[in-house]
Amino acid sequence: DIVMTQSPDSLAVSLGERATINCKSSQSVLYSSNNENYLAWYQQRPGQPPKLLIYWASTRESGVPDRFSGSGSGTDFTLTINNLQAEDVAVYYCQQYYSTPRTFGQGTTVEI
Amino acid sequence: QVQLVQSGAEVKKPGSSVKVSCAPSGGTFTFSTSALNWVRQAPGQGLEWMGRIIPILGTPDYAPNFQGSVTITADKSTNTAYMELNNLRSADTAVYYCAREEADLVGAPFDKWGQGTLVTVST
Repeated sequence: DIVMTQSPDSLAVSLGERATINCKSSQSVLYSSNNENYLAWYQQRPGQPPKLLIYWASTRESGVPDRFSGSGSGTDFTLTINNLQAEDVAVYYCQQYYSTPRTFGQGTTVEI
Repeated sequence: QVQLVQSGAEVKKPGSSVKVSCAPSGGTFTFSTSALNWVRQAPGQGLEWMGRIIPILGTPDYAPNFQGSVTITADKSTNTAYMELNNLRSADTAVYYCAREEADLVGAPFDKWGQGTLVTVST
């Protein structure tokens, strides 16, 4: 199984500042045939289901504000939230969809 | 816009079973060739993948932790996926989500999620 490890577990960021969340996979999720990283980021607000933010490590889902960006390749990935807004308070999860079982990071709580 | 709609909250006794349904609403997508995943979230905890089914193939794929205790099925005629959890224990108290994964040779992100179904196991 691919183990996904996020850091930090939580962080507090001032409004308008930047939040950075890291995700490390225990093995590469880069598929050599198409050079794509099978890595997604989700946002989960309290009481809501998760929402897809980023896929293929760096592609924003339709409708996601451009202050959210993803980067990285292979085993190391980053989610960056620029100009943090109050509505960005949530738990963020990375997930690999390279192999089954699909696995998620433990989550990172972003607070103001 | 297509949403996934799940069945309502359940309260169950220990040792019993629960069956949760998940179906698209407000439109259609290629149900039979998508993967329907099930994800568990215990109170205050993270997301845990339970398994999935691709209806056109019919054979489910389970996470090791759930092998033997969960049964995932799909009805292509009604475009509905089901997750049945057997021999319930208090530790199974959680919100259960279904999530759609588009067909891909390797995998795809979970782009549509159900609203979640709270299953409470209590005497």
